[in-house]
Amino acid sequence: SYEMTQPLSVSVALGETARLTCGADNIGIRNLHWYQQRPGQAPVLVMYRDDNRPSGIPERFSGSNSGNTATLTISRVQAGDEGDYYCQVWYNYTGVFGGGTKLTVL
Amino acid sequence: QLQLQESGPGLLRPSETLSLTCTVSGGSLNDPTYYWGWLRQPPGKGLEWIGSIDYSGPTFYNPSLKSRLTISVDTSRNRFSLTLTSVTAADTAVYYCASNHRATRLYYFDYWGQGTLVTVSS
Repeated sequence: SYEMTQPLSVSVALGETARLTCGADNIGIRNLHWYQQRPGQAPVLVMYRDDNRPSGIPERFSGSNSGNTATLTISRVQAGDEGDYYCQVWYNYTGVFGGGTKLTVL
Repeated sequence: QLQLQESGPGLLRPSETLSLTCTVSGGSLNDPTYYWGWLRQPPGKGLEWIGSIDYSGPTFYNPSLKSRLTISVDTSRNRFSLTLTSVTAADTAVYYCASNHRATRLYYFDYWGQGTLVTVSS
């Protein structure tokens, strides 16, 4: 199996930059995707293939993936960015998710 | 734009069989861009991939659920289904269906249903 590690929580002040990480062995060689889940809602894809934003996702969201760490960066954080964020890869014909990070906007 | 909607019972007793259906609109199950997936989220916990299916039949299952799991597709009704046998309290979760984008071998989940809560309790 393939395990990905995300910090349980990240806090950032309104308007600042949040950096959410996803760590795993050689994750940089994999296509890494990110999802945002606001409380009580279904997940929403916010980044695919490391650094590609789906239509409708603000430019404030960016991604990178290299070595053993992938990062989702949210610039100029807004209150509406609060929620849980999950990384995901497709490994050996299975979907694998990280444990998720709760983003709190102060 | 694809829309997915889960349906099925909300309450089961231990040892019963869970059956859920996902109806797809705004697109066809025959679209080779997608697999079709099931995922779940226990209360207060993270996302877990259950399995995915190709419209032509090949399936991919979470190894931890494989012995109890069947995912099938009904292209005539544009829907796909999940069957999970011998449920326990550990299967209590919100169950989501989602399109599993597979073009260029990326395999991400781009359209999701709203989710349906399934509770297993005696």
